[in-house]
Amino acid sequence: EAGVVQSPRYKIIEKKQPVAFWCNPISGHNTLYWYRQNLGQGPELLIRYENEEAVDDSQLPKDRFSAERLKGVDSTLKIQPAELGDSAVYLCASSFRGALGVAEQYFGPGTRLTVT
Amino acid sequence: AQTVTQSQPEMSVQEAETVTLSCTYDTSESDYYLFWYKQPPSRQMILVIRQEAYKQQNATENRFSVNFQKAAKSFSLKISDSQLGDAAMYFCAYPSGTYKYIFGTGTRLKVLA
Repeated sequence: EAGVVQSPRYKIIEKKQPVAFWCNPISGHNTLYWYRQNLGQGPELLIRYENEEAVDDSQLPKDRFSAERLKGVDSTLKIQPAELGDSAVYLCASSFRGALGVAEQYFGPGTRLTVT
Repeated sequence: AQTVTQSQPEMSVQEAETVTLSCTYDTSESDYYLFWYKQPPSRQMILVIRQEAYKQQNATENRFSVNFQKAAKSFSLKISDSQLGDAAMYFCAYPSGTYKYIFGTGTRLKVLA
């Protein structure tokens, strides 16, 4: 079974430019997450989708960040315009709620963004 | 507020030796899960082990085991017979509710040949 797929793996852009990241979750996982991981820190949730609905976007900087998951499968996270402080690793994860009382998350390899 | 603390930014261990990574957390819940994730240089977070708070028995997965002290809110990871492939960042995670994970700041583990 394929894992969570993300692209690109690396992206270098100049500040004020737009950038987009793509994620394809594990088949059958209806919950999708975008995290930002700053250097030396743990991941922090940006947004969570249940199918195509964004159910938790409280940590998403909405002035420059946007996300979509139109068909409830793959998702795109966009930054426009990018700032120097946006340099980080952007991780996508997916989960389904199984027998555990908590949704076990599976992570993709992430996209390392460098803004110059 | 629920928090997760990893007080060891970096640890080193000789190959074939044992190392313990520390994690403490704060919650008012009585029933919950705790996870340890490994993040190698490839950046992909990999689940290492999970612990259910209502289970008194410490979880074990091959060379990985935990020391779960519920009253002390401590959740340490023990790696036995360390291998070069164990070198990575290790993150302790507490699921707040069903979906929201709170991660610690991580411990970088170096394995010395």
